[in-house]
Parts: sequence; C-alpha cells; structure tokens
Amino acid sequence: DQQVKQNSPSLSVQEGRISILNCDYTNSMFDYFLWYKKYPAEGPTFLISISSIKDKNEDGRFTVFLNKSAKHLSLHIVPSQPGDSAVYFCAASETAPRNKLVFGAGTILRVKS
Amino acid sequence: DSGVTQTPKHLITATGQRVTLRCSPRSGDLSVYWYQQSLDQGLQFLIQYYNGEERAKGNILERFSAQQFPDLHSELNLSSLELGDSALYFCASSVWVSDTQYFGPGTRLTVL
Repeated sequence: DQQVKQNSPSLSVQEGRISILNCDYTNSMFDYFLWYKKYPAEGPTFLISISSIKDKNEDGRFTVFLNKSAKHLSLHIVPSQPGDSAVYFCAASETAPRNKLVFGAGTILRVKS
Repeated sequence: DSGVTQTPKHLITATGQRVTLRCSPRSGDLSVYWYQQSLDQGLQFLIQYYNGEERAKGNILERFSAQQFPDLHSELNLSSLELGDSALYFCASSVWVSDTQYFGPGTRLTVL
C-alpha cells in the first residue's frame, strides 16, 4: 500500500521554465513533508520541507505547496536549470518523532538547455 | 558531500550468504537510519538507532539486524540472503531523533 505516490515517473522541461513535481499522500496522520533530490551514484540530498500548519514554503528557486484537503503537495522550481536534472523524491512523516520517512517512488526531472 | 560515509560502495554475493554494511554518521549526529531502495521503488525505512539504542523500526525482515556502536557508527547485517534482497541500502543521520536526515551515498548489494 503506497502511502506516498508520485504518479509521474518523469518530467521534461526547458531551461528557464518552471518545473512542477507532484506528490499525493493517503495517510491523514502525515504532518511533515520533505523533498529530496538524488543524482546518480549519490544519496538523496535534502531540498526543502513543509509542516502541515503551513501551505507554502519557499527557499530560493524552490517552493513547496501543500493542499491538506486534497492530500497533495507540489514542488515548483523556477527557473529550472540543467543542473536540476535529477530524481526528486517526496517524503512524509507522522507527528513527532518525525523519524520514519515514507518516500514516494520518485520523479525523474530532465531540464533541457 | 553530506558527511555520511558508507562502505562498501558495491557488494556482490551469493544467496544464503551474510553481509555487513557499515555507516559512519556526520560528525555530531546521534541518530542513524537505514533505508532500502529496491528497483523502481522509493526508499523503505528499515530501522533507526539513537545514541546506541534502537529507536524505531520499519518493515525490517527478521533476517536483517542492525546496531550502533559507542563511536556512533552503525552496521546493518543481512543474513540468509535472497535474490530479492538485491537493492541499494542507504544510511542517513541526524543530530537528534527527528531532525532533517542527511543521506550517505549508499551501498549497492547484488545477490546472485
């Protein structure tokens, strides 16, 4: 039973445009959400997080939006750069302790120059 | 570079064998986590140790065990290996119990 779903296996975007990566979850107990980026042969790298008390969190070119009623979150990257090409994982955890992260299967982002 | 190190990078072994994967957390981190990533799957949480004690358990098989030593490094032991155990195994660490987790580069295990 996949509690965190990333329904798009891949996404291709032109350099300079917006990349939007989506994630849906089914567990109502999740209250903390994270995005990780992964390059080949490396471990996942933390990008940005959001708690359920907020609906938006911004960090430079990266913004995460959370729609609790729809159990949906998205990661916006603006503007997209070729170096952003990687696999992006959405992850979620329940109320503290926030130690068991539940990951989606990932979305491969390709940014074309 | 996250500061989390894992050895070995690659491991090839046969069914029925036992292997040990090693993880050194970032300096100052007390928590260590183990995750398994099988083909085309997201990372699956296996187990967490905090300052030497088991803190949380995921869907870890009974054939798998882990420990965290006084110097805070951790080992994941996989025994009676099956073909389906072939996967990437990631270690992550954090300062406390539920901070942001920083991941190592992973160990790729291939069971033939």
